[in-house]
Amino acid sequence: GAVVSQHPSRVICKSGTSVKIECRSLDFQATTMFWYRQFPKQSLMLMATSNEGSKATYEQGVEKDKFLINHASLTLSTLTVTSAHPEDSSFYICSATRTSGSSYNEQFFGPGTRLTVL
Amino acid sequence: DAKTTQPPSMDCAEGRAANLPCNHSTISGNEYVYWYRQIHSQGPQYIIHGLKNNETNEMASLIITEDRKSSTLILPHATLRDTAVYYCIVRVDVKLVFGAGTILRVKS
Repeated sequence: GAVVSQHPSRVICKSGTSVKIECRSLDFQATTMFWYRQFPKQSLMLMATSNEGSKATYEQGVEKDKFLINHASLTLSTLTVTSAHPEDSSFYICSATRTSGSSYNEQFFGPGTRLTVL
Repeated sequence: DAKTTQPPSMDCAEGRAANLPCNHSTISGNEYVYWYRQIHSQGPQYIIHGLKNNETNEMASLIITEDRKSSTLILPHATLRDTAVYYCIVRVDVKLVFGAGTILRVKS
């Protein structure tokens, strides 16, 4: 099956600093990647959809200047949480699809990154 | 995307079949039913999907009613490792919208 990795798996940072999370598709090319956030005991919430070589599309209520997404290659997307604050502490999960054309391709999820902002 | 309704939690005895229901009464003709699960502190794992016909793979079976307004995910022989949150999702485009899911607890 398709493998998606995330790095780091967990990160602790001070309030006001920026944190970058990487999402890689290891054995396939992913023209579309997705970023989700999950708070404790809650479901996954889609933050943004990222297409290789173009600007990300953010869901309503997600600040694009705070959550910077870059999808510069077919195997790598990054999420940067800028000026992180304790309320940004969460579990961040990425996923990738093999192509952007089909509506029914399954999404392959990464293992998630646990962010704790002190 | 159509909304789904799932019971918040279910228990199942180890070795028995786990039947997880999902209602999607507003599903439209071109929306697929997808099932994912999430084991604690991990990313979601794809299980199965279907449109009209029942589907089976190495993990599970998916039974979709004839009117497509509900479906059931069947884990034929549940193990302790199947304890997870199970999400039923209907989708027409590339995005997945996760609901609250069903917490399945498999007990020995």
